[in-house]
Amino acid sequence: KQEVTQIPAALSVPEGENLVLNCSFTDSAIYNLQWFRQDPGKGLTSLLLIQSSQREQTSGRLNASLDKSSGRSTLYIAASQPGDSATYLCAVKETNAGKSTFGDGTTLTVKP
Amino acid sequence: DAGVIQSPRHEVTEMGQEVTLRCKPISGHNSLFWYRQTMMRGLELLIYFNNNVPIDDSGMPEDRFSAKMPNASFSTLKIQPSEPRDSAVYFCASSFGLRSVHNSPLHFGNGTRLTVT
Repeated sequence: KQEVTQIPAALSVPEGENLVLNCSFTDSAIYNLQWFRQDPGKGLTSLLLIQSSQREQTSGRLNASLDKSSGRSTLYIAASQPGDSATYLCAVKETNAGKSTFGDGTTLTVKP
Repeated sequence: DAGVIQSPRHEVTEMGQEVTLRCKPISGHNSLFWYRQTMMRGLELLIYFNNNVPIDDSGMPEDRFSAKMPNASFSTLKIQPSEPRDSAVYFCASSFGLRSVHNSPLHFGNGTRLTVT
């Protein structure tokens, strides 16, 4: 059974800092890994998706990496802003048409 | 595209009542997922469908929960009878699957916040 862990559970940084969020998974036989953002009381918004054959994906100030053999992914946020404050979740998909297993998320607070 | 549409946004009901949550996936998506989110348990997969067929319902907590997908554009999650411990946010998500050559990103609706008193 796939298990996904995100560390730390919460992170507080001053505005402008670069930061890294971590996601680890137990079964390396994955189809893709997706990072989401969730604002309080809202749904999940997709940020980046990395296929199992890829090493990283970038979108603006966000960069996600994937090391399938070690069961790890990181989400790098450059020059953090207060608007980045949210909970970030990673999800591992087992097959193209299969289910995704989610971590518990990292709650990020960026202080002005 | 309107995205995944869920209704109602909020539902407050009394214990013992029947609750029906609705979801319209993104047009063309053939995989649909129902998730439940609580503070204690995080995001849990309840059931998912491929091409309207239930594939894995091992996450459905009890026989009080049932889900249907009568066609490619509509799914329901029903709780009967509802209990206070069912209070949570229920999310529906959809993606491409099976024969698709796309990346299969998961798209979520805004959720239904259920409160059972």
